[in-house]
Amino acid sequence: EIVLTQSPGTLSLSPGERATLSCRASQSVSSTFLVWYQQRPHQAPRLLLYGTSSRAIGIPDRFSASGSGTDFTLIISRLEPEDFAVYYCQQYGSSTSWTFGQGTRVEMK
Amino acid sequence: EVQLVQSGAEVKKPGESLKISCKGSGYSFATYWIAWVRQMPGRGLEWMGVIYPSDSDTRYSPSFQGQVTISADKSSSTAYLQWSSLKASDTAIYYCARRGGSAFYATFDYWGLGTLVTVSS
Repeated sequence: EIVLTQSPGTLSLSPGERATLSCRASQSVSSTFLVWYQQRPHQAPRLLLYGTSSRAIGIPDRFSASGSGTDFTLIISRLEPEDFAVYYCQQYGSSTSWTFGQGTRVEMK
Repeated sequence: EVQLVQSGAEVKKPGESLKISCKGSGYSFATYWIAWVRQMPGRGLEWMGVIYPSDSDTRYSPSFQGQVTISADKSSSTAYLQWSSLKASDTAIYYCARRGGSAFYATFDYWGLGTLVTVSS
């Protein structure tokens, strides 16, 4: 089973700053199958990016992502107040299975 | 508009059984996989399993195999997650989510609001 490790656990930043979140896989992951979600406080998760770097419908272009193999990155170019949330990476694996990372919390400094 | 409407919060005692539901609308329910995802208090997301309502093909995470049962009724566009004997450690929010189609098939593109299950004596 592929394990996804996200870092840092918590990122303390101010509105307008740039956030860089990491997701590292224990084995190589197809870039097609690497996904990011946002979960705001007391809300359900929301699909953010899929196929490593494609934004889901309605996601603003300040969100971008990249990566390949075992290292993937989510970047929020300029944090807006509504971006303070927890972000999860997720991979889709063989035998119709999914794995989530443990999440990175982006909190307001 | 795609919607997944989950059943309400539950408070149960250890050893009791429970079945929670997730009703889909706004799309062809039978032809999209539905997943269940657990979120324990203050913790991250854990994929539990998925079901294809058209033929009830079901896949479980090894961590949840034998612990829960996932089912679906395509005639009522509803998926279910059930326990035969709850434990305190089952206390969590349970989300249902739709597996995306075509380019989105690796994702969960729509989510329910979650069902809070509290197990306490």
